[in-house]
Amino acid sequence: AQSVTQLGSHVSVSEGALVLLRCNYSSSVPPYLFWYVQYPNQGLQLLLKYTSAATLVKGINGFEAEFKKSETSFHLTKPSAHMSDAAEYFCAVTVSGAGSYQLTFGKGTKLSVIP
Amino acid sequence: ETGVTQTPRHLVMGMTNKKSLKCEQHLGHNAMYWYKQSAKKPLELMFVYNFKEQTENNSVPSRFSPECPNSSHLFLHLHTLQPEDSALYLCASSHLSPLAGTGELFFGEGSRLTVL
Repeated sequence: AQSVTQLGSHVSVSEGALVLLRCNYSSSVPPYLFWYVQYPNQGLQLLLKYTSAATLVKGINGFEAEFKKSETSFHLTKPSAHMSDAAEYFCAVTVSGAGSYQLTFGKGTKLSVIP
Repeated sequence: ETGVTQTPRHLVMGMTNKKSLKCEQHLGHNAMYWYKQSAKKPLELMFVYNFKEQTENNSVPSRFSPECPNSSHLFLHLHTLQPEDSALYLCASSHLSPLAGTGELFFGEGSRLTVL
């Protein structure tokens, strides 16, 4: 079975500062990893995904994440935070195989951006 | 209309009411899901349907009854709910085949349920 751990339920950064949201995973087979974002009163939207191709993955809105197998990590970064980045971010893991895919989600990290 | 659409967006019901949540996807996917999102809890997978067949039921109480008449529509029938069932209910869809997708879910905007 796979799992993810998101360090920090709440992160605050100043506008223009680096955003770093941490995610560590556990999986007995090569994983697929995802970051989703959820704005207030909205569903989850895919930010980016890692599916065993390039280890540095670029997503929407200037976000990127790097898959590090040795550290079992998939941290999300953005060089310069914008007010519109304030949202909740979820890391998720799954593995490929026959049948339906089931993502295992982390508990989420709420990002606040201070003007 | 594209994506995953959920209705209603907001629902208030009494503990003795019967109501339904509806989800429709226009992405050509063949798997559909119900998730429950409560405050301060991780997303909880409730049900999974593959090609209209239910393949997962994560110990969900019988007061929640899913229905999947075809691969584009998913319902969640609600009856005699409890106040602790108040939550955001999210529908999602995905491809099944590894060749057609890489496992990501596409979510609707959710139905905010309040049980009085």
